[in-house]
Amino acid sequence: AQTVTQSQPEMSVQEAETVTLSCTYDTSESNYYLFWYKQPPSRQMILVIRQEAYKQQNATENRFSVNFQKAAKSFSLKISDSQLGDTAMYFCASLSGGYNKLIFGAGTRLAVHP
Amino acid sequence: DVKVTQSSRYLVKRTGEKVFLECVQDMDHENMFWYRQDPGLGLRLIYFSYDVKMKEKGDIPEGYSVSREKKERFSLILESASTNQTSMYLCASSPTGVLGYTFGSGTRLTVV
Repeated sequence: AQTVTQSQPEMSVQEAETVTLSCTYDTSESNYYLFWYKQPPSRQMILVIRQEAYKQQNATENRFSVNFQKAAKSFSLKISDSQLGDTAMYFCASLSGGYNKLIFGAGTRLAVHP
Repeated sequence: DVKVTQSSRYLVKRTGEKVFLECVQDMDHENMFWYRQDPGLGLRLIYFSYDVKMKEKGDIPEGYSVSREKKERFSLILESASTNQTSMYLCASSPTGVLGYTFGSGTRLTVV
């Protein structure tokens, strides 16, 4: 079975600094997809970034980028120039067999301080 | 934008009651999902559906059932609510999983 592990329950960062959230996963699939979701206090889950496993290039979306290490099964999220609005729960997720079911990690609560 | 609407933001029910959580999406997505979210456990899949009248068990289906009579609507049913079903429930839909899901804003259910 696929598993996703986020080992940092909570993190904090000063505004304008950079922070990296860790995620490791385990899968037997040869091709798969990985995601980071953000859940602010409003509770609305927002897709932050998506990575296709067969693509070597790390995905980037504005201030958000990933460090995808396929051999190590690691998928970390880097947030540059942190903003107060980045304060949220962040969930790492992988897409399991059949390409329909997302498996989520336990989440990391990120607090951005002024 | 795709919208996934959950009928209640907060709900309080009594132990033993039958509870219906409703979810509606407006973009003709084939796939719909119900998750529960608990602190320290992340999101766990309860049930999902890939077509009308079709349903598949997720990782924690015990105590729950679902109904999908129309493509846009996916209902989660707690046949006899128990206190251990107090949780946040999230509905999601997707045309295909590789694009990720669109989530509703969640229903926080308290069973007393």
